[in-house]
Amino acid sequence: AQSVTQPDIHITVSEGASLELRCNYSYGATPYLFWYVQSPGQGLQLLLKYFSGDTLVQGIKGFEAEFKRSQSSFNLRKPSVHWSDAAEYFCAVVGVNDYKLSFGAGTTVTVRA
Amino acid sequence: DTGVSQDPRHKITKRGQNVTFRCDPISEHNRLYWYRQTLGQGPEFLTYFQNEAQLEKSRLLSDRFSAERPKGSFSTLEIQRTEQGDSAMYLCASSLSGEPYNEQFFGPGTRLTVL
Repeated sequence: AQSVTQPDIHITVSEGASLELRCNYSYGATPYLFWYVQSPGQGLQLLLKYFSGDTLVQGIKGFEAEFKRSQSSFNLRKPSVHWSDAAEYFCAVVGVNDYKLSFGAGTTVTVRA
Repeated sequence: DTGVSQDPRHKITKRGQNVTFRCDPISEHNRLYWYRQTLGQGPEFLTYFQNEAQLEKSRLLSDRFSAERPKGSFSTLEIQRTEQGDSAMYLCASSLSGEPYNEQFFGPGTRLTVL
């Protein structure tokens, strides 16, 4: 069965510290991969996506993600977290011959001063 | 470009009532999607349109749910005979047609509470 797993439900990180959010997928073929962020009262916003080429993808707000085919992973990182990064983060995939997004359950990030 | 808009933002209804939500996509986007998000979960796909044609419906979309996109512009999602289990955030997204990896832009959602 196709699935997206985000193993960490909640992560707390200090402002200025680094952040890594994990995402694993299970698909028949390598899907297209996305990270979205959802802040309270806001719609989902795309941070970055991978569809081909360089496996290290740069996104907005200083985020990056690395696609590792051997591990079926697409982990999101940020070197130095700001208080405004507190939000819920979703990993999502689209199958190669598909258009609908399949989301993981999300990881809530809390930033402490 | 005003983004994707949804109306209403909040809806409280009693069990058994019908409700209708509206989504206005980004004007040049051919594709329109509906998702449902319950507390503590990621959004789940419900249905999507290419212009006015409804191309796919999830098994989550029971017979009480119907979606339309007349003239390929705005879309409506109607839930008949609402149940408490329908309480969720209903999200609309739109994208350009073409590649599956084209960005889907999301609206702020309509939060439905069924009492």
